[in-house]
Amino acid sequence: DIQMTQSPSSVSASVGDRVTITCRASQGISSWLAWYQQKPGKAPKLLIYAASSLQSGVPSRFSGSGSGTDFTLTISSLQPEDFATYYCQQANSFPPWTFGQGTKVEIK
Amino acid sequence: QVQLQESGPGLVKPSQTLSLTCTVSGGSISSGSYYWSWIRQPAGKGLEWIGRIYTSGSTNYNPSLKSRVTISVDTSKNQFSLKLSSVTAADTAVYYCARGDYYDFGYYFDYWGQGTLVTVSS
Repeated sequence: DIQMTQSPSSVSASVGDRVTITCRASQGISSWLAWYQQKPGKAPKLLIYAASSLQSGVPSRFSGSGSGTDFTLTISSLQPEDFATYYCQQANSFPPWTFGQGTKVEIK
Repeated sequence: QVQLQESGPGLVKPSQTLSLTCTVSGGSISSGSYYWSWIRQPAGKGLEWIGRIYTSGSTNYNPSLKSRVTISVDTSKNQFSLKLSSVTAADTAVYYCARGDYYDFGYYFDYWGQGTLVTVSS
């Protein structure tokens, strides 16, 4: 299985801050990576697919980059509704598809 | 707008079989080239993909659960189902059903059910 490791596990930030979350794959996955946002008690929501493509309806302050083993999710200006947990997911090696352990974005 | 809704018992006894159904509305489960998946999340933990089914009936499972998992589809009811046998407390989790669609590189989960908590306890 491909292991996905996210860092940091949690980050404290203020509204308006730029936030960057990293995801590292245990082997190369090209651009086969997605980012999801999950709020408490809710299902995950697809934000970014194919490493850098923005899902329809997702605000442009979210962006993704990277390929191979190292990927980044950036929120350019954190908004109150962005406080949530973010997961990366690899779609390259299957089965199984695997997720990172999550990064919680908390209010500072 | 596609919607998915999980249903099934919220409490299952150890060693028994967990059974859940996902009902798809807002579109036919047979239309398009979608895969239909089950994903679970223990309380306070991350996401684990369980398996997927295509409407042809073709399935793929997580190797870690493969010996205990069966996913099936009923296109006449626009539903797909999960059975997980010989459950233990470690199978206690919120179970999600989700649609996988192809986006450039790979299949990603673009529609999810709200999730249903299944507790394994005597």
